[in-house]
Amino acid sequence: DQQVKQNSPSLSVQEGRISILNCDYTNSMFDYFLWYKKYPAEGPTFLISISSIKDKNEDGRFTVFLNKSAKHLSLHIVPSQPGDSAVYFCAVNAGGTSYGKLTFGQGTILTVHP
Amino acid sequence: NAGVTQTPKFQVLKTGQSMTLQCAQDMNHEYMSWYRQDPGMGLRLIHYSVGAGITDQGEVPNGYNVSRSTTEDFPLRLLSAAPSQTSVYFCASYGLGEGYTFGSGTRLTVV
Repeated sequence: DQQVKQNSPSLSVQEGRISILNCDYTNSMFDYFLWYKKYPAEGPTFLISISSIKDKNEDGRFTVFLNKSAKHLSLHIVPSQPGDSAVYFCAVNAGGTSYGKLTFGQGTILTVHP
Repeated sequence: NAGVTQTPKFQVLKTGQSMTLQCAQDMNHEYMSWYRQDPGMGLRLIHYSVGAGITDQGEVPNGYNVSRSTTEDFPLRLLSAAPSQTSVYFCASYGLGEGYTFGSGTRLTVV
C-alpha cells in the first residue's frame, strides 16, 4: 500500500510560468517532508523541506506548502526554467529514531519548455 | 569532495551470482541507507543503519544483506542474484542539520 503518492507521472510547463508538483500521504505520523530533484544518471539531490509544525517554506524560486488536514504536500517553482527539467520526488520521514528511513513517492517528470 | 561514493557504477550479473555494492561516506554521518529505484515505483528502502554495528530492514529487504563495521562504509550484498533485482541502487547518508546525501547510483542488470 503506497503511503506516499505522486499522482501525476509528468508535467509540462512553459519557461517563466509556475510549476506545481503535488504529493499525497496517508500516515499522519509523518513529521518531516522533503523534495528531491533527480537528473538522469545522477543521485537525487535535496531541494527543500518542511516540518509538520509549518505550512510553508520558501527558498528562492522554490516554495513547499503543507496541508496537514488534507495530508497534501505541494512544490511550487516560480518562475520555471529549462534547467528545472528533471524528476521530482517527494519524500516523508516519521522522525524519532527513523531518520535513516525515507518513504518516497513515485516521482513526477517535469519538463520546462523554452 | 565530501559526499557518498558508490562503486561500481554499472554491473551485469548472471542469475545466481553474488556481488557486493560498495558505499562509503566521508561526512561522519551515523545514518546510512540503501534504496532501489524502479520505474513507476520511486525509491524503496532496502536496509538502513543508525550507526556502526546496527542495521535494520527497510521495505524490500529480501535477497539483500548488509553490515556496518565502520561509520564510513555500508556495503550491500546480493547473495544469489535474481532478474527481479535488476534496478538502480542508491546509497544515502544522513547528518543532523545536514540532511540526506545520495550517491550517484549503481545500475545493476541481472540476466
